[in-house]
Amino acid sequence: DSGVTQTPKHLITATGQRVTLRCSPRSGDLSVYWYQQSLDQGLQFLIQYYNGEERAKGNILERFSAQQFPDLHSELNLSSLELGDSALYFCASSVGATGELFFGEGSRLTVL
Amino acid sequence: EDQVTQSPEALRLQEGESSSLNCSYTVSGLRGLFWYRQDPGKGPEFLFTLYSAGEEKEKERLKATLTKKESFLHITAPKPEDSATYLCAVRANAGNNRKLIWGLGTSLAVNP
Repeated sequence: DSGVTQTPKHLITATGQRVTLRCSPRSGDLSVYWYQQSLDQGLQFLIQYYNGEERAKGNILERFSAQQFPDLHSELNLSSLELGDSALYFCASSVGATGELFFGEGSRLTVL
Repeated sequence: EDQVTQSPEALRLQEGESSSLNCSYTVSGLRGLFWYRQDPGKGPEFLFTLYSAGEEKEKERLKATLTKKESFLHITAPKPEDSATYLCAVRANAGNNRKLIWGLGTSLAVNP
């Protein structure tokens, strides 16, 4: 158990819909990262927050947005969903900006 | 352009048959190389951090080494429970140094 909690574990929805994925980081970790993993593309960095502020942005689509709240939990919002958005979405946390990340179990999104 | 390449893409070993996985990188100033293990449908699990050429880290049957251009993950006398995908990531010095650059991984299968 990494200490990072993600909900929901599985989500099935239709194209055009909007979903919210939630992440609670390890106790004491200030950084939260969001990653997308699909079969053919490996881990794709989406966005990082540190203590409530956006720190780094990766290949995050404009249809996607995220935020980190004062209690340090984070949410990733995915809207106008397309079939290609089907993937595993991982949240990870770390104490600071290091490469030693602790990943949650992921949210598997299926868009039909 | 910063890049991480892992080889082979897939490796099948017999139990007890030692081997090595490779992670080669091209980055402008290495600030850390990280190895992770990922089981199917799970989040990556942090294994090792290496910072400078010549550095080695060990954990059970795994040993990670680092040179100026690549890292090796040596697996000695592997067991079936070592079957997983092994991911390598690097943090670079220049540019957006808050991002990790990930390889696509080596899928390891150890047969009993």
